[in-house]
Amino acid sequence: AQKITQTQPGMFVQEKEAVTLDCTYDTSDPSYGLFWYKQPSSGEMIFLIYQGSYDQQNATEGRYSLNFQKARKSANLVISASQLGDSAMYFCAMREPYQAGTALIFGKGTTLSVSS
Amino acid sequence: EAGVVQSPRYKIIEKKQPVAFWCNPISGHNTLYWYRQNLGQGPELLIRYENEEAVDDSQLPKDRFSAERLKGVDSTLKIQPAELGDSAVYLCASRPRPKVNRANTGELFFGEGSRLTVL
Repeated sequence: AQKITQTQPGMFVQEKEAVTLDCTYDTSDPSYGLFWYKQPSSGEMIFLIYQGSYDQQNATEGRYSLNFQKARKSANLVISASQLGDSAMYFCAMREPYQAGTALIFGKGTTLSVSS
Repeated sequence: EAGVVQSPRYKIIEKKQPVAFWCNPISGHNTLYWYRQNLGQGPELLIRYENEEAVDDSQLPKDRFSAERLKGVDSTLKIQPAELGDSAVYLCASRPRPKVNRANTGELFFGEGSRLTVL
């Protein structure tokens, strides 16, 4: 079974609009971490935002926020005021259980295209 | 601070040839990962090192893949012989030792990857 599911292969948004990228996860461990990475065409994976399973509040980093719904096991990324430079592949990832060094498990990604 | 450095960025070889990828992690990062990313997919872990010890290599196809991290710094990933299905981007990532009594997100820092094409 997939640990991380990203059901949107591609998303399209206009500049300055908000967009939500979906992510659901599967784990039986109560302690885990959720991550979002951006991968532009250059190939480098860029860390965007992190949410710990015990965090009480949704994580925010500038224009990025994570809509964490623990009961639904979803961790959607919200990008506000989209910019042309946001066009890239976006990956949701999970670490379980939360301990030093454990690798991240990635979803298949969502391609975001921002138009002017 | 310099990021994770990988080389070569691109490599084209014929099947059955050997190939090697090199990774220099961020200074002080004790954990190093090699991931493989097939076209249109997310990265998948091949091997994880804690210092010079390979602590998770369950996903590494050991018949043709090998890796080493001498002295716990640089790492090399080798494929011999390469097959057509090995065409992918090979990503190296590193992670610092978690700090005690401080919030650790534990994110991985990735290099730009080495794109392999096997003909």
